[in-house]
Amino acid sequence: DAKTTQPPSMDCAEGRAANLPCNHSTISGNEYVYWYRQIHSQGPQYIIHGLKNNETNEMASLIITEDRKSSTLILPHATLRDTAVYYCIVRVSRSNGNKLVFGAGTILRVKS
Amino acid sequence: ETGVTQTPRHLVMGMTNKKSLKCEQHLGHNAMYWYKQSAKKPLELMFVYNFKEQTENNSVPSRFSPECPNSSHLFLHLHTLQPEDSALYLCASSQDGGQTDTQYFGPGTRLTVL
Repeated sequence: DAKTTQPPSMDCAEGRAANLPCNHSTISGNEYVYWYRQIHSQGPQYIIHGLKNNETNEMASLIITEDRKSSTLILPHATLRDTAVYYCIVRVSRSNGNKLVFGAGTILRVKS
Repeated sequence: ETGVTQTPRHLVMGMTNKKSLKCEQHLGHNAMYWYKQSAKKPLELMFVYNFKEQTENNSVPSRFSPECPNSSHLFLHLHTLQPEDSALYLCASSQDGGQTDTQYFGPGTRLTVL
């Protein structure tokens, strides 16, 4: 299974862009990169996913390098409510369904 | 709101009790999942159901017994649990079979075993 590496924690000033890096050097060609976040004691919230191209939605942007070995999640204007644990996950494709393997994630602290 | 609901939100039980956790999804999905999140640990996948059939059991002890009567409902029956089973139990659902079957999570049930 492709493994991801994320920094354990990051700080960001309110109103600034938060850039969260993720390394996934063993990713296979058909495996997607997913990002979720988890606010304290709540269920994980889906943010965005991508395969090769950069993606943007109302929550964030996902930049994937050309070799697909790393990616960056960008929250363009972080607010205090974006303080959470952010998980970068390579989705594992299996014959009996697809699987998400969660790591420790990055604790993002947005400060005023 | 993600379209996945879980009840109860909090549960305290003794080691000899029998209780059940319930999950319901209103998204028309065909796959449902149970995850466990212990304090300061990553989420661990417990069970996967596709079209009501169990397709994955991650070596979960038999004191946890899942049930999936239809594609919208998932239960986790609990029996003679241990204090170390205290955790946040999360349910998720997805539309499996496609390239991008995003999983959507419920709010979780916080379980405390005394």
